[in-house]
Amino acid sequence: GENVEQHPSTLSVQEGDSAVIKCTYSDSASNYFPWYKQELGKRPQLIIDIRSNVGEKKDQRIAVTLNKTAKHFSLHITETQPEDSAVYFCAGFIADKVIFGPGTSLSVIP
Amino acid sequence: GAVVSQHPSRVICKSGTSVKIECRSLDFQATTMFWYRQFPKQSLMLMATSNEGSKATYEQGVEKDKFLINHASLTLSTLTVTSAHPEDSSFYICSASPPLSRVETQYFGPGTRLLVL
Repeated sequence: GENVEQHPSTLSVQEGDSAVIKCTYSDSASNYFPWYKQELGKRPQLIIDIRSNVGEKKDQRIAVTLNKTAKHFSLHITETQPEDSAVYFCAGFIADKVIFGPGTSLSVIP
Repeated sequence: GAVVSQHPSRVICKSGTSVKIECRSLDFQATTMFWYRQFPKQSLMLMATSNEGSKATYEQGVEKDKFLINHASLTLSTLTVTSAHPEDSSFYICSASPPLSRVETQYFGPGTRLLVL
């Protein structure tokens, strides 16, 4: 089955700096790669996603890059702000099910 | 966008009692809904896939007789935690996919925090 890993598990950055979280997956047939943000006690929210026909997608301060050969995709957050502090999950899909990565706790220090 | 609600948002119950959690798709019909459990500082773990009009499909290690799922209509799925114990205390989240959409298109409920004393 699909195995989804994330690194690092925790990340602290100064406000204004960039943050990068990497996700690796095992199913070479995967073609959809999302990132979710979850604030404490709330539902996960899709913040950006990419499909296998593109290598990079950007939405303001957030970007996702994909390396299908190496089977990993990364979340990039630039000019981080305190409100970016949250847990970020990548996800994989197998047999019509979502498999979430273990999560990365991001802390942005003012 | 599509909205999914859950009720209650939080519940405290005594050990040995049963608790029912509702998941509703408010503005679309959902033939499939998913139930997740999330322990503190951990990821969301899929418990089961709820299919309207048929039996739910449970993930390995999830007891179907303990976590009863009913998906009697296209807008409502319920999860009943039977004979709850303190180790069942967790954050339960449902999600739903609109008809004819890919499984990637999932709308999450706000979650239900269960505390079993």
